[in-house]
Amino acid sequence: EVQLVESGGGVVQPGGSLRLSCAASGFTFGNFWMHWVRQAPGKGPMWVSRINSDGTTITYADSVKGRFTISRDNAKNTVYLQMNSLRAEDTAVYYCIRDFRIYDYWGQGTQVTVSS
Amino acid sequence: QSTLTQPVSVSGSPGQSISISCTGTSSDVGNNNFVSWYQQRFPGEVPKLMIYDVDNRPSGVSNRFSGSKSGNTASLTISGLQAEDEGDYYCTSFTSSRTHVFGSGTKVTVL
Repeated sequence: EVQLVESGGGVVQPGGSLRLSCAASGFTFGNFWMHWVRQAPGKGPMWVSRINSDGTTITYADSVKGRFTISRDNAKNTVYLQMNSLRAEDTAVYYCIRDFRIYDYWGQGTQVTVSS
Repeated sequence: QSTLTQPVSVSGSPGQSISISCTGTSSDVGNNNFVSWYQQRFPGEVPKLMIYDVDNRPSGVSNRFSGSKSGNTASLTISGLQAEDEGDYYCTSFTSSRTHVFGSGTKVTVL
């Protein structure tokens, strides 16, 4: 059974940092692109970042470029999102997603709240 | 990146067909065939993929859902509308900048 389990969310002050993790199981993790998408309360989803199967191709949404870093460890079947210089507008549920296309699969998400 | 433009709401009676448009630019929707549609029936529910690559249905998705594209506008059509189709629908497209962008979302109401 495919599983994506996000962790690492929480409450952080503006300017702070968090590192999200997404542990994958039930499929060959190293074969797939992985993405992060977030959804703020009452808003639609927003794509955040993606990383290819071996970690050599990475892209970011303009709003997080320079502040967020995506990475993966295929030996641990885990993808990460390092979030620095957090702002109130980064408050959202963050979802880890496999493939984002034909083999699309979403985790249940982890809540990130940026507040003083 | 700007969001793709969708109508705020679309409604129809049971059994009718409705269409939701998703308008972008030559840098996203008009640039490639990587347009997908997601359904989110309830707030907080994980979005469900309904259409990928403009007009392909994932396994398990009803054939009442279909997709198409013309120029910079993609469309999702729901035929034989049912009460269970109510919810929010979002398009998404790959872009020439190698990013993805979502639509603004459309609330579907079954009258």
